[in-house]
Amino acid sequence: ETGVTQSPTHLIKTRGQQVTLRCSSQSGHNTVSWYQQALGQGPQFIFQYYREEENGRGNFPPRFSGLQFPNYSSELNVNALELDDSALYLCASSLFQVNEQYFGPGTRLTVT
Amino acid sequence: AQSVSQHNHHVILSEAASLELGCNYSYGGTVNLFWYVQYPGQHLQLLLKYFSGDPLVKGIKGFEAEFIKSKFSFNLRKPSVQWSDTAEYFCAVNAQSGTYKYIFGTGTRLKVLA
Repeated sequence: ETGVTQSPTHLIKTRGQQVTLRCSSQSGHNTVSWYQQALGQGPQFIFQYYREEENGRGNFPPRFSGLQFPNYSSELNVNALELDDSALYLCASSLFQVNEQYFGPGTRLTVT
Repeated sequence: AQSVSQHNHHVILSEAASLELGCNYSYGGTVNLFWYVQYPGQHLQLLLKYFSGDPLVKGIKGFEAEFIKSKFSFNLRKPSVQWSDTAEYFCAVNAQSGTYKYIFGTGTRLKVLA
């Protein structure tokens, strides 16, 4: 059974640029959730994707967007990067409306 | 709004000391409860979880937690900590409805002195 994988591991971008982060869900899982973990904070829910559609969103602006593909993998896109977007971005996969989510190792984004 | 509070932000203990980390949540419905650990440079790992049944749950590495519904609490305990327990610990809840999204606490940074 393959766990949740994310790429890239680290990324450095300049303010105003755009970034795409990728996530492959655990085998058999059909739902992907994304979280942002700022330094010294707990992860915060960004949004969730199921059946290639957004299924719930946290308190993040529209410049945070996502995609889910037919193989259940997912992308997180962030436009017009701001310094405060520097964080660890976590992907978690699960079965739809099942209690437990499985987290990937994260992508550390630094915005300068 | 749902929220999770972890009262201890930094804890320093000597090896063999007992550990208790507090976690309180705010939510009116039925929840699932989790404790995750994040070792330096590593990703979140599940320590233990509570869905229903016996409110005292045992997890990996000798950790346990007790769900007290009347107090909206889910405190993490370990009788005797080791240096290797140095890490950040996160309490999380998710509601048994909707997106089942996780609400995390701000974390407790534990340092165990050898």
